[in-house]
Amino acid sequence: QSALTQPPSASGSPGQSVTITCTGTSSDVGGYDYVSWYQQHPGKAPKLMIYQVSKRPSRVPDRFSGSKSGNTASLTVSGLQAEDEADYYCSSYAGSHNLLFGGGTKLTVL
Amino acid sequence: QVQLVESGGGVVQPGRSLRLSCEASGFAFWIQAMHWVRQAPGKGLEWVAVIWYDESNEYYGDSVKGRFTISRDNSKNTLYLQMNSLRVEDTAIYYCVKDGVNGGKDFDYWGQGTLVTVSS
Repeated sequence: QSALTQPPSASGSPGQSVTITCTGTSSDVGGYDYVSWYQQHPGKAPKLMIYQVSKRPSRVPDRFSGSKSGNTASLTVSGLQAEDEADYYCSSYAGSHNLLFGGGTKLTVL
Repeated sequence: QVQLVESGGGVVQPGRSLRLSCEASGFAFWIQAMHWVRQAPGKGLEWVAVIWYDESNEYYGDSVKGRFTISRDNSKNTLYLQMNSLRVEDTAIYYCVKDGVNGGKDFDYWGQGTLVTVSS
């Protein structure tokens, strides 16, 4: 199965909002409500930001939110801060105990 | 707090084997499914394998199926990844990952990773 599709880059100024998309198919993103998002700073391990499309672990700021429409999921970061600059990866359950990742999006805070 | 510490990475020739370990602490390891996820240098993430808490089931990504084996020792709070017939394209940082709340469908805490380099 192919990886999920993410834009390679996104950017925004401090205080603004930015949305990153993750496009799959009806066999993965569109077929299950098990999309999650991970933040990765350079040289660090990924960190869970959103799971089950829109749920947020208590340790994650509420500036981060997730949604899904059809075969496309989205991560929105509101009130951008300098520390939000990182790579973001989406993941989706794809059935038959298979998990897919997106190619990653580099978020730049201008 | 949750801690996952990987070890066993290194440089290995194509066709050889290597075993990775991951020591877990700070949570009830024996009731959690666990994953391995890898990341080639400068590239994205790739799911490798998952094992159920009681070893009743294990599943693999297509690129490692038949070559890699995931296992665990709940008495030692340790997860393993036996990698055989290694290829150059297996070069990556290998992360040990605690399963999320949905039973094998997402990832919670990640270790810092161990680097495996396959090269002649």
